[in-house]
Amino acid sequence: SQTIHQWPATLVQPVGSPLSLECTVEGTSNPNLYWYRQAAGRGLQLLFYSVGIGQISSEVPQNLSASRPQDRQFILSSKKLLLSDSGFYLCAWSPARGGTGNTEAFFGQGTRLTVV
Amino acid sequence: KNQVEQSPQSLIILEGKNCTLQCNYTVSPFSNLRWYKQDTGRGPVSLTIMTFSENTKSNGRYTATLDADTKQSSLHITASQLSDSASYICVVILSTDSWGKLQFGAGTQVVVTP
Repeated sequence: SQTIHQWPATLVQPVGSPLSLECTVEGTSNPNLYWYRQAAGRGLQLLFYSVGIGQISSEVPQNLSASRPQDRQFILSSKKLLLSDSGFYLCAWSPARGGTGNTEAFFGQGTRLTVV
Repeated sequence: KNQVEQSPQSLIILEGKNCTLQCNYTVSPFSNLRWYKQDTGRGPVSLTIMTFSENTKSNGRYTATLDADTKQSSLHITASQLSDSASYICVVILSTDSWGKLQFGAGTQVVVTP
């Protein structure tokens, strides 16, 4: 069966420090991978998505970047964190298909990031 | 403007009672609609999925309905339990997106009290 791992669960970082959040998927190949951010009282905002190794698309301009060094590994990074980067970050994966059909999305447990 | 609107934003319900959550969407072309349950501090978990040809789908005490003509969906929780306290998120998937882009609602926060 497929599983998704995301870590760390919580993180407190000072302003200006770097960030690295990691997400890995097991039990599937060539998944679509996503990073979302969820602000309090708001819906999930898509930050990045990837359809393959080295293929990253950004949805919104921000202080963050993403990389996919391996098929089932997705990393969210920042060189210098801002206070506004605080939030709940979720990694997700879905099966890669030509059309969405009944595409299911599976989420990690999330990372609560607090920038102080 | 968010293309998936949910109401109410939050609600409090007594244990054992029923409640209904609403989801209105404007995105098209529509492929399917999902309801997710998100416990505090956790990732969302899928409850139901419906294609445009389906009117209702049940998962235990959760029943989702869909009216593709009016672009409305509802999630009905029957005989609520304390464990139903969570955020319920409506997600619309567009048929034109080959990589499965998801349109999320902001969610309805449900609190079940004893």
